[in-house]
Amino acid sequence: ELKVEQNPLFLSMQEGKNYTIYCNYSTTSDRLYWYRQDPGKSLESLFVLLSNGAVKQEGRLMASLDTKARLSTLHITAAVHDLSATYFCAVGYGGSNYKLTFGKGTLLTVNP
Amino acid sequence: SAVISQKPSRDICQRGTSLTIQCQVDSQVTMMFWYRQQPGQSLTLIATANQGSEATYESGFVIDKFPISRPNLTFSTLTVSNMSPEDSSIYLCSVIRDRGGTGELFFGEGSRLTVL
Repeated sequence: ELKVEQNPLFLSMQEGKNYTIYCNYSTTSDRLYWYRQDPGKSLESLFVLLSNGAVKQEGRLMASLDTKARLSTLHITAAVHDLSATYFCAVGYGGSNYKLTFGKGTLLTVNP
Repeated sequence: SAVISQKPSRDICQRGTSLTIQCQVDSQVTMMFWYRQQPGQSLTLIATANQGSEATYESGFVIDKFPISRPNLTFSTLTVSNMSPEDSSIYLCSVIRDRGGTGELFFGEGSRLTVL
């Protein structure tokens, strides 16, 4: 069974600081996803990472993937309050029975 | 992106009753998924619903409790049967677009169920 571990689960940051969220997974995958969820809302897709060494950036968020280490990171640069949300990584696997397994999520709070 | 409409968006239900959640997608998709998100928790896959075949349920979920229909490539329903307070959750429909390419997974807005 695929396991996806995210850490930290809770992250309180000050505006302007940098930090990284880590996502480890236990078996071979063909895609790694990052999502954002605001309170009471559904999930918003941030990034889909397809291959080893993939790096994608959008604004203050940058995601990377190391398939050999089975590790993805979501780096936050110069955090602002609007980034406060829960961030999930999810790992896609399986062929005809393709499915995603989600990490527990990281609740990010950015304080002024 | 994909436009995914779910109904109802929220409901309050009595113990022992059943509720059917509808999921409508703006274009044809092969793979549809139903997830559950319990309060303060992550997402757990209930089942995969592919058109033309029986839904595939994950460990811990059974058809009698969560029957699923998938009559065509744009629509699916999930029924939560004989509800108890433990079924209070957000239920999310999701689809994969461009499976052979980026394979991005999109979510509906969710159906928030409270069981009293």
